[in-house]
Amino acid sequence: NAGVTQTPKFRILKIGQSMTLQCTQDMNHNYMYWYRQDPGMGLKLIYYSVGAGITDKGEVPNGYNVSRSTTEDFPLRLELAAPSQTSVYFCASIGQTYEQYFGPGTRLTVT
Amino acid sequence: LAKTTQPISMDSYEGQEVNITCSHNNIATNDYITWYQQFPSQGPRFIIQGYKTKVTNEVASLFIPADRKSSTLSLPRVSLSDTAVYYCLVRRDAGNMLTFGGGTRLMVKP
Repeated sequence: NAGVTQTPKFRILKIGQSMTLQCTQDMNHNYMYWYRQDPGMGLKLIYYSVGAGITDKGEVPNGYNVSRSTTEDFPLRLELAAPSQTSVYFCASIGQTYEQYFGPGTRLTVT
Repeated sequence: LAKTTQPISMDSYEGQEVNITCSHNNIATNDYITWYQQFPSQGPRFIIQGYKTKVTNEVASLFIPADRKSSTLSLPRVSLSDTAVYYCLVRRDAGNMLTFGGGTRLMVKP
């Protein structure tokens, strides 16, 4: 059981570039989430999904897109990277006991 | 979802008991109280959750008074490795939305 895995661990983007952050969980959880965490701050919810084919916006969705074609995968897409998107991104899933399991994070820098 | 308020930081010494209190005045009837721990450069890790009275596991205890407007996370005999940020969250029964506040930065000193 690998839990929640994220790739890549680190990435540097130039302004205007695009990229996809990958997230996979092997626990058969329906609920999955994307958060961002700026230095010294708490986590902010970007998008979440309650099951394959269903996604919804969180607190800070602008500049991001998601898809959920399978139960396991929940990729996050940045279309036109901006310096304000420099952050650490965490993917998470939630099980039947409502404990949230987090991935190791992706550290993204946009310059 | 109910907003939570907790101290920004706390200091303690090894071997002491640490109590972190969180207020959630607008908690709803079907809300649960959940605590997470986060070490630097890692994702948050679930510690404990409860609805009312007291919950204890191998890591911590959670005390919730009858009015449920606050809760206290108790860490017995902390060690240096307990230095982390601790988040208090309120989740609706369905569990699909969690809002993280700023957390409490706990520093355990030798």
